[in-house]
Amino acid sequence: GAVVSQHPSRVICKSGTSVKIECRSLDFQATTMFWYRQFPKKSLMLMATSNEGSKATYEQGVEKDKFLINHASLTLSTLTVTSAHPEDSSFYICSAEPWSTDTQYFGPGTRLTVL
Amino acid sequence: EDKVVQSPLSLVVHEGDTVTLNCSYEVTNFRSLLWYKQEKKAPTFLFMLTSSGIEKKSGRLSSILDKKELSSILNITATQTGDSAIYLCAVGPHGGGSNYKLTFGKGTLLTVNP
Repeated sequence: GAVVSQHPSRVICKSGTSVKIECRSLDFQATTMFWYRQFPKKSLMLMATSNEGSKATYEQGVEKDKFLINHASLTLSTLTVTSAHPEDSSFYICSAEPWSTDTQYFGPGTRLTVL
Repeated sequence: EDKVVQSPLSLVVHEGDTVTLNCSYEVTNFRSLLWYKQEKKAPTFLFMLTSSGIEKKSGRLSSILDKKELSSILNITATQTGDSAIYLCAVGPHGGGSNYKLTFGKGTLLTVNP
């Protein structure tokens, strides 16, 4: 149980384009999902908390207009990197918490490369 | 500001050795401490600890929380090359949903040589 999937696993795009990453909880419902970013050899940096049916909560320093989050249902959250630039290249990971378990389960991550 | 510190930052051992990884924390409103293993992809869940002194065990891995010392250790016995990974410690506060934001340590990079 508690499986989280992400799609795509890897994406390469040109500078200026937008990229959408999907995060799904496969065997549980999640009112809250989390989006992280990880640079090489660094720990996870929380970008935002995705709330089903309401606006995402962004961490300080994260541009909400650049990283659009939509939590359309209890099993799906999407992160759209708009007008991507090479500095947006990173490993993006989502997680979800099955209700009242106090445990976040992570998706496999999406490696974004912006040329 | 909540803080999670892991030590050592990196460790190299030989197969068969036993290792102990440390995690200490300073957080307000502590609820749980979690250990994850990260290989090439995203972290996979190992343990969640909420009560002091109760060891959690899974095969060769075990972990225990000491709330008095605000710390936890992760032990791996009879290490194998497949144990090579980054081990992340994270602490979570009371409250679920959007209030449940984990604070991560920087991780310990474990390398097990044959």
